[in-house]
Amino acid sequence: DTAVSQTPKYLVTQMGNDKSIKCEQNLGHDTMYWYKQDSKKFLKIMFSYNNKELIINETVPNRFSPKSPDKAHLNLHINSLELGDSAVYFCASSQDAGPSSPLHFGNGTRLTVT
Amino acid sequence: AQTVTQSQPEMSVQEAETVTLSCTYDTSESDYYLFWYKQPPSRQMILVIRQEAYKQQNATENRFSVNFQKAAKSFSLKISDSQLGDAAMYFCAYRSLDSNYQLIWGAGTKLIIKP
Repeated sequence: DTAVSQTPKYLVTQMGNDKSIKCEQNLGHDTMYWYKQDSKKFLKIMFSYNNKELIINETVPNRFSPKSPDKAHLNLHINSLELGDSAVYFCASSQDAGPSSPLHFGNGTRLTVT
Repeated sequence: AQTVTQSQPEMSVQEAETVTLSCTYDTSESDYYLFWYKQPPSRQMILVIRQEAYKQQNATENRFSVNFQKAAKSFSLKISDSQLGDAAMYFCAYRSLDSNYQLIWGAGTKLIIKP
């Protein structure tokens, strides 16, 4: 029973392409996140949704667009992929947006742009 | 702005021994939360332990415990009886009570377990 699942696990694509990463959580959580982990393992928040509403939108290129069709899903669409987009992207969820709620992470999607 | 520093890029420990991973942070807030997460080679980030700043008692979870020194702004993780499965990247994280409760992450410490 995977709590936070994201697909695909690996994504290899060429520059200029458009791709999507899907995320689903079955924990009944209200809040979902997208993080980017670079090659040095540094984690950076990209977006956060609470009850389908965007609450955190960090400085990321507008080529990245999150979509939350319902509370259990938060997908990430990336347009016009660039080499610098290569990274591991993590989806996460938490019970609520409060500070005490720990995050539950998916297994990550390794995106390689060639 | 808050910052989190993990000064040890890599640590190694003999199996069954005890190891301590350091984490310091900078903040002007009095209430906040601190977390340790583990990222094994499987890549998934897993919560190890959580500490509430207003609680003086150090959090413990089985073989994992923290040494929380609020005045020194230090939050170290102690792993007792290290096991091969403990090998992973360990990340310290600070969560403010404002700024949309964003998590501020340290750079991580790679823990190697020697059999």
